[in-house]
Amino acid sequence: DTGVSQNPRHKITKRGQNVTFRCDPISEHNRLYWYRQTLGQGPEFLTYFQNEAQLEKSRLLSDRFSAERPKGSFSTLEIQRTEQGDSAMYLCASSFLAGGPNTQYFGPGTRLTVL
Amino acid sequence: GEDVEQSLFLSVREGDSSVINCTYTDSSSTYLYWYKQEPGAGLQLLTYIFSNMDMKQDQRLTVLLNKKDKHLSLRIADTQTGDSAIYFCAETVFSGGYNKLIFGAGTRLAVHP
Repeated sequence: DTGVSQNPRHKITKRGQNVTFRCDPISEHNRLYWYRQTLGQGPEFLTYFQNEAQLEKSRLLSDRFSAERPKGSFSTLEIQRTEQGDSAMYLCASSFLAGGPNTQYFGPGTRLTVL
Repeated sequence: GEDVEQSLFLSVREGDSSVINCTYTDSSSTYLYWYKQEPGAGLQLLTYIFSNMDMKQDQRLTVLLNKKDKHLSLRIADTQTGDSAIYFCAETVFSGGYNKLIFGAGTRLAVHP
């Protein structure tokens, strides 16, 4: 299967700890997105990369959040000093920039629980 | 502003048709999407429609777009228990040089015998 993959699928951590999530996009896709989804809501945009460049960050992304895509392939999202309000599903999506819809394909998500 | 509204719940009998409705705000949206999410899973792309189309059919799925009223609907024919999930409507908003997706809160579809 060559879809978007995310690891880990679940993460339980204590408040104040740092966590890092990984996303591997579909191989030929040059755009990569991170979203956060809380219970009962749709995904909310966090940030996006075109190749290795981070081109936009939402105001939802506080200073405790950082994302990288060092070689334009996989991406990591790190949350420092986690808070209980960070508990959510973190979704990654990828797309290929070309003419047409630039449709985003989503991974299975990483569910974060902060105790 | 950017906002997508959906009804929260829909209950249908197996074999009936389901219609999930959505309204959006950005009249310049180029593509509108429907995604499906099963419990604990990511979003699965179902279909999309380009803004210059009124209707798109894909097997059991029919998408209707009323651009004047900014209203989008997804019809699922012959609904099955496997269709039970949350369905998200999303509009595209051109921002920062790319098409950003704005999602609704999702419609939970329950299919009963």
